[in-house]
Amino acid sequence: AQKITQTQPGMFVQEKEAVTLDCTYDTSDQSYGLFWYKQPSSGEMIFLIYQGSYDEQNATEGRYSLNFQKARKSANLVISASQLGDSAMYFCAIAIRGQKLVFGQGTRLTINP
Amino acid sequence: SQTIHQWPATLVQPVGSPLSLECTVEGTSNPNLYWYRQAAGRGLQLLFYSVGIGQISSEVPQNLSASRPQDRQFILSSKKLLLSDSGFYLCAWSVGGTQYFGPGTRLLVL
Repeated sequence: AQKITQTQPGMFVQEKEAVTLDCTYDTSDQSYGLFWYKQPSSGEMIFLIYQGSYDEQNATEGRYSLNFQKARKSANLVISASQLGDSAMYFCAIAIRGQKLVFGQGTRLTINP
Repeated sequence: SQTIHQWPATLVQPVGSPLSLECTVEGTSNPNLYWYRQAAGRGLQLLFYSVGIGQISSEVPQNLSASRPQDRQFILSSKKLLLSDSGFYLCAWSVGGTQYFGPGTRLLVL
């Protein structure tokens, strides 16, 4: 079975600083996808970034980048130049063969002005 | 572009009452559809998923059921709600890999 571990229940960061949210995963499959979602207080899950297990380059999407270290089974999210609007819950998730998502418990990020 | 709708946005129901939550997707065909539940302060738990009309897979045994009467419509139901059914219910769709979520329904069972 697949598992996602997010070890940081909460993080506090000063505005404009970069922040790294940790995610480690466990799977025996060779083909999988890793996802990050943002959940603001409204509750909606917003897709941020995707990394395929065979992608050799780290995914980037605007201020978001995914630090993919396959040997360590690590998929950390990096947010550059943080903004107040980045305050939210962040979830890492894994999907096998494009099917079901398995989520971690999330990290609550608070950006301080 | 694709959009996903869920209703109602919030719902307060007594224990033992029935439940029907609806999810519809626009702008895509033959999507995979998913129902998730999120307890307060926790991650998401997959309840049901569907790869086509009438095809439902259940992930967690419970008193909930799901149906897909049309290609882009997914319904979550219960005949008798339990207190433990309270939570935030999210519907999602995918074509390919990435899942996109609706706005969710907050259900409180009293």
